[in-house]
Amino acid sequence: GQNIDQPTEMTATEGAIVQINCTYQTSGFNGLFWYQQHAGEAPTFLSYNVLDGLEEKGRFSSFLSRSKGYSYLLLKELQMKDSASYLCAGMDSNYQLIWGAGTKLIIKP
Amino acid sequence: IAGITQAPTSQILAAGRRMTLRCTQDMRHNAMYWYRQDLGLGLRLIHYSNTAGTTGKGEVPDGYSVSRANTDDFPLTLASAVPSQTSVYFCASSVKGGDVTGELFFGEGSRLTVL
Repeated sequence: GQNIDQPTEMTATEGAIVQINCTYQTSGFNGLFWYQQHAGEAPTFLSYNVLDGLEEKGRFSSFLSRSKGYSYLLLKELQMKDSASYLCAGMDSNYQLIWGAGTKLIIKP
Repeated sequence: IAGITQAPTSQILAAGRRMTLRCTQDMRHNAMYWYRQDLGLGLRLIHYSNTAGTTGKGEVPDGYSVSRANTDDFPLTLASAVPSQTSVYFCASSVKGGDVTGELFFGEGSRLTVL
């Protein structure tokens, strides 16, 4: 079956660095996505990885290892506004997204 | 209108009633989607449409129907609502179905409670 696993909740301190992990099992693979969702709001796109390695975009970076079925989202210089849920999603061979339940990130001052 | 607009934002509905959730986009995206989001679960695809005039079933289509008469509108209908359909519903769009960038643009969601 297809599955996305990520931690339910994480806590970090303002100004610090946090890494949110995601493991995936999909039927075929067409990429791994990260979305950010603030409470009560719509998800918004953060990153897309289809090749192994690290993609950096400002304070956010995303890493993919296809051989391990593993990705992580790295958030640097944490700000209070980064408190949100982070959704990991794998795209299968039919170009359908399989979503994880999301990781709620709590930032403390 | 900018992006994707959903209506209503929130609705309480008696079981057995018919309900249509509206979704309109002004980005001229070819593909549109309906997801439901429940606590502790990932987003689950209900129905999708890769282009006007075509629709397809997602992971959890039972009890729901959609139509895509034109590019902009993609309504979701619950023919006879049941309490298990209590959820937050998100409409989304992408430039095209099977778009390898996969970026979805979401509406603000419709919170539906079925009593």
